[in-house]
Amino acid sequence: DAGVIQSPRHEVTEMGQEVTLRCKPISGHNSLFWYRQTMMRGLELLIYFNNNVPIDDSGMPEDRFSAKMPNASFSTLKIQPSEPRDSAVYFCASRTGQQETQYFGPGTRLLVL
Amino acid sequence: SQKIEQNSEALNIQEGKTATLTCNYTNYSPAYLQWYRQDPGRGPVFLLLIRENEKEKRKERLKVTFDTTLKQSLFHITASQPADSATYLCALDKVTGGGNKLTFGTGTQLKVEL
Repeated sequence: DAGVIQSPRHEVTEMGQEVTLRCKPISGHNSLFWYRQTMMRGLELLIYFNNNVPIDDSGMPEDRFSAKMPNASFSTLKIQPSEPRDSAVYFCASRTGQQETQYFGPGTRLLVL
Repeated sequence: SQKIEQNSEALNIQEGKTATLTCNYTNYSPAYLQWYRQDPGRGPVFLLLIRENEKEKRKERLKVTFDTTLKQSLFHITASQPADSATYLCALDKVTGGGNKLTFGTGTQLKVEL
């Protein structure tokens, strides 16, 4: 298995632009998580899905952030408009319903200028 | 409010010694606790899980203890090697209406020197 796949790996954009991060979970995993990691705040959960349905988005910072999971093998996290304070590493993770452990992707390093 | 604390200062130890990392939490009643390893530029990788009714768990050179009275977990690496140098994160579960979700500590960086 290729593991959790994220794209792009690096993204540099200017303030005000739309940013879309993509994630392909491990096949057969029915839970998907989006995290943000910064030096100051560590690894924070933004939103998670069970069976493609958003369960808890209480970690989404504000309305500029949105996430979708149109099918079991694809999810997006969108920031519109982006701001410099959104600069961070964004991780996607997945797991099966029977497991407690999560499998993380390599992350997308986002820099908003 | 709920809090998970790990030592923010890096831990430097000599090769061959035992490294001990600490995870303290408040205002939580976790069903289980997990430890992850994170290398620079990579996502966290699962190492060990310990449940609330377990006192200790081992896997090769790794040992985790879980004291729900003290609200603390200790993570030990015996016979440490330079390859063990990484950041180690503890994570506690929180049961929600839709399932369990993890909350991570900020991690402790371990450096094993020759």
